[in-house]
Amino acid sequence: DADVTQTPRNRITKTGKRIMLECSQTKGHDRMYWYRQDPGLGLRLIYYSFDVKDINKGEISDGYSVSRQAQAKFSLSLESAIPNQTALYFCATSQGMIGEQYFGPGTRLTVT
Amino acid sequence: AQKITQTQPGMFVQEKEAVTLDCTYDTSDQSYGLFWYKQPSSGEMIFLIYQGSYDEQNATEGRYSLNFQKARKSANLVISASQLGDSAMYFCAMGSWDTDKLIFGTGTRLQVFP
Repeated sequence: DADVTQTPRNRITKTGKRIMLECSQTKGHDRMYWYRQDPGLGLRLIYYSFDVKDINKGEISDGYSVSRQAQAKFSLSLESAIPNQTALYFCATSQGMIGEQYFGPGTRLTVT
Repeated sequence: AQKITQTQPGMFVQEKEAVTLDCTYDTSDQSYGLFWYKQPSSGEMIFLIYQGSYDEQNATEGRYSLNFQKARKSANLVISASQLGDSAMYFCAMGSWDTDKLIFGTGTRLQVFP
């Protein structure tokens, strides 16, 4: 089984809908991250969490919220989806400072 | 502010040849790490190699090596003996002890032809 899983893998939703992307990990890492990837822009950090009680905004947090339900679970929500949130979303985990990050398989989200 | 720059949107290389993917970075931090990730067409992000700012020797992992030139703030990825399966997007990333986050470059698409 994969160490970092994301659900759903693909999602099409309409403008204005609330949507949640979920991430689970079995690596036992404290640190979890949400990124979005857009063509030509690389990966940009949305939110990150160093433990259950620690949530931090990343580079592009507007329009998103997160919840760290447990060490192993980190969810990303779009409260009211808009078309420019169409992107590939990645969850990642790491342990320790400047550690290698382990990525989930990605969620391809399309907002129509 | 920290920044990663990958100036090559696309690169072509013939199978079995070596190729260098460029990466320059900007930071005022003293302790940082440099990473390369591969993203094949299937979409997953695969860690390739890591170089710490205090490491004196260039990192190597199999056919991958990182040409680290600290004074020039460059961390180029060298792939030796390219294979068709090396065709993918390659991302350079940097993390620092101060921020404890990774920032990514915009990527280079490598295509290996027979």
